Amino acid sequence: KAGVTQTPRYLIKTRGQQVTLSCSPISGHRSVSWYQQTPGQGLQFLFEYFSETQRNKGNFPGRFSGRQFSNSRSEMNVSTLELGDSALYLCASSEEQGARSNEQFFGPGTRLTVL
Amino acid sequence: AQKVTQAQTEISVVEKEDVTLDCVYETRDTTYYLFWYKQPPSGELVFLIRRNSFDEQNEISGRYSWNFQKSTSSFNFTITASQVVDSAVYFCALSSISSGSARQLTFGSGTQLTVLP
Repeated sequence: KAGVTQTPRYLIKTRGQQVTLSCSPISGHRSVSWYQQTPGQGLQFLFEYFSETQRNKGNFPGRFSGRQFSNSRSEMNVSTLELGDSALYLCASSEEQGARSNEQFFGPGTRLTVL
Repeated sequence: AQKVTQAQTEISVVEKEDVTLDCVYETRDTTYYLFWYKQPPSGELVFLIRRNSFDEQNEISGRYSWNFQKSTSSFNFTITASQVVDSAVYFCALSSISSGSARQLTFGSGTQLTVLP
């Protein structure tokens, strides 16, 4: 099976702009989660989607949002970018049921730089 | 609140040495899951292992082994006969239903392992 794919891999934006990142999960995986990784805060959970519904959300401002499509692909959006949003954004997918339902498999990430 | 502590920020070993990465966790839940991930310079997090709180049996996979001890809330990871390709950042993580979702991972700060030739 192909792994989790994320596009784009690199992105440079300026403060105040907005950005959309895309994630395609492993075929058959219906749960998609997003994480932010920064040198200062480490890896932090953003949100999880399942069946086009946000199931869980981390402690991030409303500028961070996401959605999931019927084919389980997911996008996350960050509006009004701030310098502190510069980070590696990682997407993970997992099965919904079964013995391996809590095992999350990560994509290569999107490196966002805000200038 | 949940917490994962990886006290070792950086470890450097010479190839073929054994190395143990420490992980201590905090949770009030009785049902939880522990994970180890490897992050090479490319950035992608590579899944290594998952343990649930009811299974304290240690596990060995090739050169990798994991020691889960509920009594000390630890889930340590040992690499035997380390190789240069093992150089990466290793993350320990925890999840439980009470955190909102069994898929919401709380990560430790990571341990940078460098294996010198």
